[in-house]
Amino acid sequence: KTQVEQSPQSLVVRQGENCVLQCNYSVTPDNHLRWFKQDTGKGLVSLTVLVDQKDKTSNGRYSATLDKDAKHSTLHITATLLDDTATYICVVGDRGSALGRLHFGAGTQLIVIP
Amino acid sequence: DMKVTQMPRYLIKRMGENVLLECGQDMSHETMYWYRQDPGLGLQLIYISYDVDSNSEGDIPKGYRVSRKKREHFSLILDSAKTNQTSVYFCASSPGSGNTLYFGEGSRLIVV
Repeated sequence: KTQVEQSPQSLVVRQGENCVLQCNYSVTPDNHLRWFKQDTGKGLVSLTVLVDQKDKTSNGRYSATLDKDAKHSTLHITATLLDDTATYICVVGDRGSALGRLHFGAGTQLIVIP
Repeated sequence: DMKVTQMPRYLIKRMGENVLLECGQDMSHETMYWYRQDPGLGLQLIYISYDVDSNSEGDIPKGYRVSRKKREHFSLILDSAKTNQTSVYFCASSPGSGNTLYFGEGSRLIVV
């Protein structure tokens, strides 16, 4: 059973608009949650990691929140650029070490149009 | 220059042939991973390696084996490839503390 669900599955926005991507999970324990960006035909690149029970991070135009009580995270992209076109993947880790398991969502495909 | 390098990037093999996918990293990371990515699914862990000759099965190890004789190099081997092993394979590495992952650009394998 999928333990990390991302929505929407795909999203089209116009350049300059803001967007919000959602991640709901059932992983227990939930040590940390990481958002990755995957350009077409490329590997995954980490955008941000959230650790605390109620956490917020910011990395340029990307900001993210985590609520471990709700087992829910959001990724906000502000003033989208054409280069933001990619798949965004939510990953939940059940430990803070290599001995833990990582649970991957299937991703949200974001397309930014001019 | 922190990098994970995968070779080859693209490969077409006939059913029953052997496949070797290679991965190298220049960060002296202890832990390395092999995943596969299929449409509509999250990445699935095939094998994890905690260091040289210290490998463990992941969630879908059947049909695969691995080799890690040097810390910087981790190979994925398919003995007698099957059509359902057509996929994109990703190698990743992390330091022993775990929660930072660095991915290669993927190896796209087609088995016909």
